[in-house]
Amino acid sequence: TQMTQSPSTLSASVGDRVIITCRASESIDSWLAWYQQKPGKAPQLLIYQASNLESGVPSRFSGSGSGTEFTLTISSLQPDDFATYYCQHYNGMFFSFGPGTTVDIK
Amino acid sequence: EVQLSESGGGLVQPGGSLRLSCVASGVSFATYAMSWVRQTPGKGLEWVAGISGSGDNTYYADSVKGRFTISRDNSKDTLYLQMNSLRGEDTAVYYCAKGRLTWGSGGAFDDWGQGTLVTVSS
Repeated sequence: TQMTQSPSTLSASVGDRVIITCRASESIDSWLAWYQQKPGKAPQLLIYQASNLESGVPSRFSGSGSGTEFTLTISSLQPDDFATYYCQHYNGMFFSFGPGTTVDIK
Repeated sequence: EVQLSESGGGLVQPGGSLRLSCVASGVSFATYAMSWVRQTPGKGLEWVAGISGSGDNTYYADSVKGRFTISRDNSKDTLYLQMNSLRGEDTAVYYCAKGRLTWGSGGAFDDWGQGTLVTVSS
């Protein structure tokens, strides 16, 4: 299963609503996670099973979708949110990451 | 608090070998499946290998199958990645990552180490 993300880069301002899309080449039900990664740091889990917020993650992050199309929404972008975001399909011991979406300052 | 700490990275010549280690603390290590994930400098993430909590089941990406071996020593709370026949395209930061579930393959990765850099070059 191939994962794609759009856009590859997104320029936004603090307070903006940001939506990142992830598409799978075939149906993956809800076996999708979202991660945030900052330069020089390990990825951090934000969302699992498409729409479940990981403990400790701010509620401005939300995930939706099933099948082949998924979205990560940041309701009001904060300075700490400028980073790269990856979607990941997981199913048994098969894991496939999307290419990433970089959110930078407009 | 779960902590994962990798070590063993470095510079190695093409065709050489290296063994990475990942020591876990703050978690019942044997309960969780673990994986290695790598990231090429400036590029995206690639899952490399995974292992069940007991160590009985192992899984590999096609790109490393036959060259890399994942293992674990639950008595030492340590995960390993033996890398043989290394190639230039194996150059990356290698992360160990813990599955968030205590059953099956663990699902998404809720804890990651800080990463260790492997450079394959002559």
